[in-house]
Amino acid sequence: DGGITQSPKYLFRKEGQNVTLSCEQNLNHDAMYWYRQDPGQGLRLIYYSQIVNDFQKGDIAEGYSVSREKKESFPLTVTSAQKNPTAFYLCASSIGGISGANVLTFGAGSRLTVL
Amino acid sequence: SQKIEQNSEALNIQEGKTATLTCNYTNYSPAYLQWYRQDPGRGPVFLLLIRENEKEKRKERLKVTFDTTLKQSLFHITASQPADSATYLCARILTGGGNKLTFGTGTQLKVEL
Repeated sequence: DGGITQSPKYLFRKEGQNVTLSCEQNLNHDAMYWYRQDPGQGLRLIYYSQIVNDFQKGDIAEGYSVSREKKESFPLTVTSAQKNPTAFYLCASSIGGISGANVLTFGAGSRLTVL
Repeated sequence: SQKIEQNSEALNIQEGKTATLTCNYTNYSPAYLQWYRQDPGRGPVFLLLIRENEKEKRKERLKVTFDTTLKQSLFHITASQPADSATYLCARILTGGGNKLTFGTGTQLKVEL
């Protein structure tokens, strides 16, 4: 079945450490996204990529980095510069294109906790 | 700035009744409004979308309306069931805004027996 796989499901990090969250899709989608979700807040866009080898900052990119070397993969690194990294991270993909409804397919999420 | 707002208070209704959730936006009308369902600890799942030139869309027990005068979308679940209990998110895409979605905070729905 086609879908998006995020790993790990749960991750614990010590302060000062970088961690990388994996996101893989087999939907043949061009566009991929990373969102962060905190209690009482909507999903906030961290980074997005509309095509391989290209990505743009979202609304809260500081302290995060991404790469898009393959169409199927869009890993997110949470760096030590991110001041409040404890959150639920969601990866999504869509067919892409500049116009259109752009319906997103989400992964199951990764919950990061900083100890 | 563009905002999209949902009632943060949980909505509790009795099984069999119609649940109505509200999504309000500011400033410009979005080109599309989408509704997603999210279960605890899971990613959102797409349910329905409505375009700015449409007033109503239906899918089985779900109905979405779009009122550009009120700057509001309503999401209805008829004959609600306990399995409909979840958080429902609305999201918008603006005309000329590329393909970025902006999400509301979501409204939690609880359907009781």
